[in-house]
Amino acid sequence: QSVLTQPPSVSAAPGQKVTISCSGSSSNIGNNYVSWYQQLPGTAPKLLIYDNNKRPSGIPDRFSGSKSGTSATLGITGLQTGDEADYYCGTWDSSLSAGGVFGGGTKLTVL
Amino acid sequence: QVQLVQSGAEVKKPGASVKVSCKASGYTFTGYYMHWVRQAPGQGLEWMGWINPNSGGTNYAQKFQGWVTMTRDTSISTAYMELSRLRSDDTAVYYCARGPKGGSGYSNWFDPWGQGTLVTVSS
Repeated sequence: QSVLTQPPSVSAAPGQKVTISCSGSSSNIGNNYVSWYQQLPGTAPKLLIYDNNKRPSGIPDRFSGSKSGTSATLGITGLQTGDEADYYCGTWDSSLSAGGVFGGGTKLTVL
Repeated sequence: QVQLVQSGAEVKKPGASVKVSCKASGYTFTGYYMHWVRQAPGQGLEWMGWINPNSGGTNYAQKFQGWVTMTRDTSISTAYMELSRLRSDDTAVYYCARGPKGGSGYSNWFDPWGQGTLVTVSS
């Protein structure tokens, strides 16, 4: 069971917009920066968003991130079939078992 | 370009140990921490810990303390992760990933990731 909670799956049509939520607590999302990762089938995860809402060089502005309280959201606009992947949120947890934590992942299907 | 290249797949028997390597290129190896993350088949990501390549200092997730050892060789820009007393549920893809130290109030991210090393534990 993951520390951060994500919906198991989301879907939308090509060209549409989708959001993926990530819920945590004050010991993790509430007081730490959030990052998001895209994992295409059979490949390693790739950084999409860091520090809640910043995009690394090369990541298109179709991808956006936001954070409010103990929740974070990844937004993807102009969906493409190539966006079909698993998406993970991640942050630091400052509880007794301090360390990096991830959500369980969300499978995005582009219909 | 920044790249992490990991060692090849391993098959181990229960109770054995495995050591995975991660060779960095394209950046100053001692300038970033190296994290290790694993992913069991069909499952999510699990953070295992980090090593500071500059000092050799380590920080392991509570679950892996006493069980994992992270080391590095700065002369060849390579980090290592050794997991002992393997069990069948340690079967997973193990990734190394570059990142900052992380921690409360600090930036937390992993980029890039190595290609992954599949470790299969089976009798």
